[in-house]
Order: sequence, then C-alpha cells, then structure tokens
Amino acid sequence: KQEVTQIPAALSVPEGENLVLNCSFTDSAIYNLQWFRQDPGKGLTSLLLIQSSQREQTSGRLNASLDKSSGRSTLYIAASQPGDSATYLCAVKRGYGQNFVFGPGTRLSVLP
Amino acid sequence: EAGVVQSPRYKIIEKKQPVAFWCNPISGHNTLYWYRQNLGQGPELLIRYENEEAVDDSQLPKDRFSAERLKGVDSTLKIQPAELGDSAVYLCASSSGVEWDKYTDTQYFGPGTRLTVL
Repeated sequence: KQEVTQIPAALSVPEGENLVLNCSFTDSAIYNLQWFRQDPGKGLTSLLLIQSSQREQTSGRLNASLDKSSGRSTLYIAASQPGDSATYLCAVKRGYGQNFVFGPGTRLSVLP
Repeated sequence: EAGVVQSPRYKIIEKKQPVAFWCNPISGHNTLYWYRQNLGQGPELLIRYENEEAVDDSQLPKDRFSAERLKGVDSTLKIQPAELGDSAVYLCASSSGVEWDKYTDTQYFGPGTRLTVL
C-alpha cells in the first residue's frame, strides 16, 4: 500500500526566503506526482504535475523535482511571498484514472 | 468554464441524523471522485466513478455511506446515520477520462463540504 509523507509538517519563514518542501512515497511504481496548494476553507489547486518519466517541472517561482528510485519529490519555492502562505500537499497516482494518494501536507506561513 | 460545484459548503448536524452532499463535475468529465479530508491530513478516496459505474468503492464505509451518480453527471454522497467521527471536509473531484488527456490526467477539485457532527 502506497504511503506518502511530507516533511516538515509546518514551516514559518520571513518573506523573500527560498524554501524546500519534501515529499516521500513508499512505492516507486507511480504514474505521476502532483503538488497541490490548499488555502483555508478552499479546495485543492494544482501547482505542478510531474509524469513518472520526468525529473522536474517548473512554473514561475516553483520548481518540483522527482526521484522515483529514492521515492522522493521536492517543491522549491523561490523568493517566498506572504501570498504563498497555504498548505502544500503532494499526491501520487498509481495509474491513469486512478485516485491520488495524498501526503498530510506542509503548512507554510510566510511572514511579511 | 465552470469548475467543480459542491453544495452545501457547510453542514452541521446532530449525530444519528442523515446528511447528503451534492457534486456537479466539470462538463464532459467522465471520472468523478469523492474524497474525505480529516483535519491536518490529506484527502483519502471514498469512491471513484467512471461514468455511472462505481469502479472503486473499497474505502467507502458501506454500512452508513452510499453514493450514486445518475446519468453519469451529478453525484450525491449520503451518510445515514452520521457519527461524530464523520466530521471532515468532503471533496469532489473530476477528470476528463479521455484519450487526449491521458498525459496529464489532471483532477479538478471542488471547494468541499465541511461537515460537523455534534
């Protein structure tokens, strides 16, 4: 059974810092991995999706990497802003059309 | 394009009462998912539909939970009777399930229904 963990559970940083969020998964046989953002009381917003054949994806200040062999993914946020404050979840999918298995999330606070 | 719509957004009920949640997926999306998210945790799948068929309901507590997706569009998730431990956010998501989207297979999530059982 796939298990996904995220470290740290919570993180507080001053504005402008670069930061890294970590995601680990136990079964390397994945179809894709996705990073989501969740604001309080809201649903999930997709940030980046990495297919199993890819090593990284970039969108603006966000960069996500994937190392299937070690069961790890990282989300790098450059020049953090207060608006980045949210919970960040990673999720892996076993196959096309399958459900996601989510990690518990990292709650990020960026202080002005 | 409208996103995934869920209602109600919030529901407070007494234990042992019934409750129902409604989801309208993105138009044309064949696959629909119901997830439950407990406080401080990631969402966990309850049931997945391909059109009208429930293809994965292994995590659905069938003694009290039921779901339906009539005509392969809207879906309703019901709990009867509700227990204190059912307090959570219930998220609906949909994906297109068509060949051209196989590369991304993106799921789009609704805002969720926050259930509080007293």
